[in-house]
Amino acid sequence: NAGVTQTPKFRILKIGQSMTLQCTQDMNHNYMYWYRQDPGMGLKLIYYSVGAGITDKGEVPNGYNVSRSTTEDFPLRLELAAPSQTSVYFCASRADRGYQPQHFGDGTRLSIL
Amino acid sequence: GQQLNQSPQSMFIQEGEDVSMNCTSSSIFNTWLWYKQDPGEGPVLLIALYKAGELTSNGRLTAQFGITRKDSFLNISASIPCDVGIYFCAGQGGANSKLTFGKGITLSVRP
Repeated sequence: NAGVTQTPKFRILKIGQSMTLQCTQDMNHNYMYWYRQDPGMGLKLIYYSVGAGITDKGEVPNGYNVSRSTTEDFPLRLELAAPSQTSVYFCASRADRGYQPQHFGDGTRLSIL
Repeated sequence: GQQLNQSPQSMFIQEGEDVSMNCTSSSIFNTWLWYKQDPGEGPVLLIALYKAGELTSNGRLTAQFGITRKDSFLNISASIPCDVGIYFCAGQGGANSKLTFGKGITLSVRP
């Protein structure tokens, strides 16, 4: 069972570079989420989607963009990488029937130098 | 916005001991979730609670949904080295609401 798959696992970027963090899930979940995790700060929601073609901002969306062209994929894009975006990024998904828990990928560790 | 309070930030216990973690909120939640995160991995769901007063067990783990719907606790009994990790609580308001996470408690178990 693949579940939620994130790629790459690690990446180092220079300031000003752009990149896309990939997330795909094979559980046919409509709800997908992107979080960032900084030490001692828990998980902060960046963007989320309730289905293909629908995205919305979370708590910390500045500097990021998302798209949701298919149910399976929910990529997160950094257009102009900044040191403040050094973090661990987690993608999650859940079924949309009632109170279903979120399932997480293993994360992408991103350093901006 | 909504906040969940988990403290202390770190806990150190001896192997074989029991440990209890609390999570409190100023807001009411309809669902409480407990996740564990191992180093280098994503959070993994341990226990989900859906009803005020509910007490649920998963092996050596027991969690309760507070009767006021503003708190939850997680107990780990007879701790073992594999229990090391970060434990997050999360609350959800409505069925389609976003999760609010606590900052997590890092648990260390001394052999």
